[in-house]
Amino acid sequence: AQSVTQPDIHITVSEGASLELRCNYSYGATPYLFWYVQSPGQGLQLLLKYFSGDTLVQGIKGFEAEFKRSQSSFNLRKPSVHWSDAAEYFCAASPGGSYIPTFGRGTSLIVHP
Amino acid sequence: GAVVSQHPSRVICKSGTSVKIECRSLDFQATTMFWYRQFPKQSLMLMATSNEGSKATYEQGVEKDKFLINHASLTLSTLTVTSAHPEDSSFYICSARDTGGADGYTFGSGTRLTVV
Repeated sequence: AQSVTQPDIHITVSEGASLELRCNYSYGATPYLFWYVQSPGQGLQLLLKYFSGDTLVQGIKGFEAEFKRSQSSFNLRKPSVHWSDAAEYFCAASPGGSYIPTFGRGTSLIVHP
Repeated sequence: GAVVSQHPSRVICKSGTSVKIECRSLDFQATTMFWYRQFPKQSLMLMATSNEGSKATYEQGVEKDKFLINHASLTLSTLTVTSAHPEDSSFYICSARDTGGADGYTFGSGTRLTVV
């Protein structure tokens, strides 16, 4: 069955520290991959996406993600976290662009001053 | 980029009443929209797929008569929670895909429903 796994429920980092949020997928072929961010009481905002090509994808707000086929992973990274980055982050995947994505359970990012 | 507007952002209603939530695609047409429910600290659960001009497709376990979906135009889908009860309290989010864009699915800002 197709699935998206985010192994970390919570991640706590200090402001200014680097960040990596993990995401693994289980699909028959390389899916379309997405990272979304959700602030409290808000909808989801697309941070970045990977369809094909360069495996290092740049997104908004200084985020990037790297697709690694051998590890079935699409981890999200940011070199220096800001307090405003505290939010819920969702990884998602779909078999193609016209298919509704499947979401991971989310990772809550806590930023300490 | 594509924008999806959802209204209201918050609503409190009495038990037994009905509540309507609107989802609009502002700058694109969406033949298909999606409704999700999100419980606290959990991921999004797809409830139903809303199809313009036809019946919605509900996911297993979602009550059709409880959650009425209407998609009367290419830019508007509505979700009506009928005879609401406290257990229907949740965060509801809609989504649509701009087939002419490259950003995949765009999400509304969500509606916090509280049934008292």
